[in-house]
Amino acid sequence: GAVVSQHPSWVICKSGTSVKIECRSLDFQATTMFWYRQFPKQSLMLMATSNEGSKATYEQGVEKDKFLINHASLTLSTLTVTSAHPEDSSFYICSARELARDNEQFFGPGTRLTVL
Amino acid sequence: LAKTTQPISMDSYEGQEVNITCSHNNIATNDYITWYQQFPSQGPRFIIQGYKTKVTNEVASLFIPADRKSSTLSLPRVSLSDTAVYYCLPEGTGRRALTFGSGTRLQVQP
Repeated sequence: GAVVSQHPSWVICKSGTSVKIECRSLDFQATTMFWYRQFPKQSLMLMATSNEGSKATYEQGVEKDKFLINHASLTLSTLTVTSAHPEDSSFYICSARELARDNEQFFGPGTRLTVL
Repeated sequence: LAKTTQPISMDSYEGQEVNITCSHNNIATNDYITWYQQFPSQGPRFIIQGYKTKVTNEVASLFIPADRKSSTLSLPRVSLSDTAVYYCLPEGTGRRALTFGSGTRLQVQP
């Protein structure tokens, strides 16, 4: 099956620093990738839709200047949390739709971000 | 977007069959119904997908009545490793993201 990877799997940073999370589709091309955030004991919440070669679409309440998304190729999307604060500590998950199998979505393993 | 309703939690014992029902009254005609499993600190994992009637794979069965307003995930003979959160989602084609509901937290006891 299609595989989506994320890097790093976990990161700890100081308040005020920026953190970049990578999401890669390893064996397929993905024109669209999605970024979700999940707080403890809660469900996944969609943050933004990342489209290759164009600007990301952010959900209501998600600051686009704080969560920078770049989807420069058909296999890579990055999420940069700028000037991170403790309230940004969460589990960030990406997913990707395979170009050829449009009704299937594949999830990455997630990245645990802890901001001190 | 179709909203889903599932039980918040369920408890079972090893070896039992577990059925989790999800209601999705407003599911779109073109949407499939997909079930995902999520373990703590991991991304969701695809379990099964169907459009109507019954679908079975090596992991589970999915029952969808003719009106498609609900679906039931059936896990035969659960084990401790099936303890997880299970989400049902309508999933269509195109570039739409998935809207996750609260999911069902299944706890399997020895």
